[in-house]
Amino acid sequence: SAVISQKPSRDICQRGTSLTIQCQVDSQVTMMFWYRQQPGQSLTLIATANQGSEATYESGFVIDKFPISRPNLTFSTLTVSNMSPEDSSIYLCSAFGGGSGNTIYFGEGSWLTVV
Amino acid sequence: AQSVTQPDIHITVSEGASLELRCNYSYGATPYLFWYVQSPGQGLQLLLKYFSGDTLVQGIKGFEAEFKRSQSSFNLRKPSVHWSDAAEYFCAVGGPKAAGNKLTFGGGTRVLVKP
Repeated sequence: SAVISQKPSRDICQRGTSLTIQCQVDSQVTMMFWYRQQPGQSLTLIATANQGSEATYESGFVIDKFPISRPNLTFSTLTVSNMSPEDSSIYLCSAFGGGSGNTIYFGEGSWLTVV
Repeated sequence: AQSVTQPDIHITVSEGASLELRCNYSYGATPYLFWYVQSPGQGLQLLLKYFSGDTLVQGIKGFEAEFKRSQSSFNLRKPSVHWSDAAEYFCAVGGPKAAGNKLTFGGGTRVLVKP
């Protein structure tokens, strides 16, 4: 199995600021993803983080708002830019392949509250 | 497009009673199916997964799920519920690597356990 660590685990952010969430996997993985879980809702895929190239965004999500980096096979970052209260959510990193086998694992999530 | 429906938003069950959570999916090919559990204030934990083979899948914490292709269902069961099973449960469907391994989640079922 793969162990996925996210930082920060929780944060309270001011409106208009940006925050970068880090995701570290304990083994090399093929694919990494970022999901959002708004309060009381299910999970929605934001984007696939591609190693060494631009992320692939899902409908409704854009790079200017959610820039993503993936410099290597074990690490990725998601930035939530120019935050508003509507961005208050749990952001979850997940990984597939390599050390995680053929299972998709999730980190503990980063709980962001925008005030 | 793939989709997942969890018809029950809330289920209340007595401790020691059996539990069944319903999941129906829509997917154009052989699906990869997952059940995750999210305890209050926690991230997602994988309970079990189905890729191929035996349609009855055993997972952690005494859970099992049965894949029924004819009904497009992947219902989760537990014979005897413990108080610690109170949580939110998510069913998810994904495709193979060629489809990007992206997961689509159902809306979740919140399980309450009565003493």
